[in-house]
Amino acid sequence: DTAVSQTPKYLVTQMGNDKSIKCEQNLGHDTMYWYKQDSKKFLKIMFSYNNKELIINETVPNRFSPKSPDKAHLNLHINSLELGDSAVYFCASSQAPTGGSEKLFFGSGTQLSVL
Amino acid sequence: RKEVEQDPGPFNVPEGATVAFNCTYSNSASQSFFWYRQDCRKEPKLLMSVYSSGNEDGRFTAQLNRASQYISLLIRDSKLSDSATYLCVVENTGGFKTIFGAGTRLFVKA
Repeated sequence: DTAVSQTPKYLVTQMGNDKSIKCEQNLGHDTMYWYKQDSKKFLKIMFSYNNKELIINETVPNRFSPKSPDKAHLNLHINSLELGDSAVYFCASSQAPTGGSEKLFFGSGTQLSVL
Repeated sequence: RKEVEQDPGPFNVPEGATVAFNCTYSNSASQSFFWYRQDCRKEPKLLMSVYSSGNEDGRFTAQLNRASQYISLLIRDSKLSDSATYLCVVENTGGFKTIFGAGTRLFVKA
């Protein structure tokens, strides 16, 4: 069974569209994250949620709206897509951080291409 | 200044070589440190945690110098399968904010 699964794997869409990426983890973790990896391969945190509550929002444009219906799911909805949104988006999870010994488990990524 | 800085490489080494990667971080309150590995078009995976006393896992040795805010990774006897991008990772804010360096690309050649 895949520990952290995200769908779709590939997403090709036009500028201005709205799209969602879904993420689910079956590890029983309390914390979930969204990361963006751009064309220069720099992996940057976007959001972190702990038990469905937003903990970190790294000055992401409000066109990006994460939603966590329960602690096993963290979906990412993106409105009015722009060319600069093209990237690979990774979902991740970890057990509740207690000072930092918990590793991150990543999904396999969603490659978003905005045309 | 970036929060986590790494030598971008690429490092091109022959099989059997020893190679070292360096990383510096800017937040002196950073709590935990890791090295992750990312293969091309794949997700990052934890390689090893980094402890203040230094730690070793087979051919891999990690060191942390809190005073200098410096982390290193040493790979001995490089294998072809070690070819990947190595990401230096620092954890802040009680563990909720995990920051990745831009990565160091390693190519191991036969």
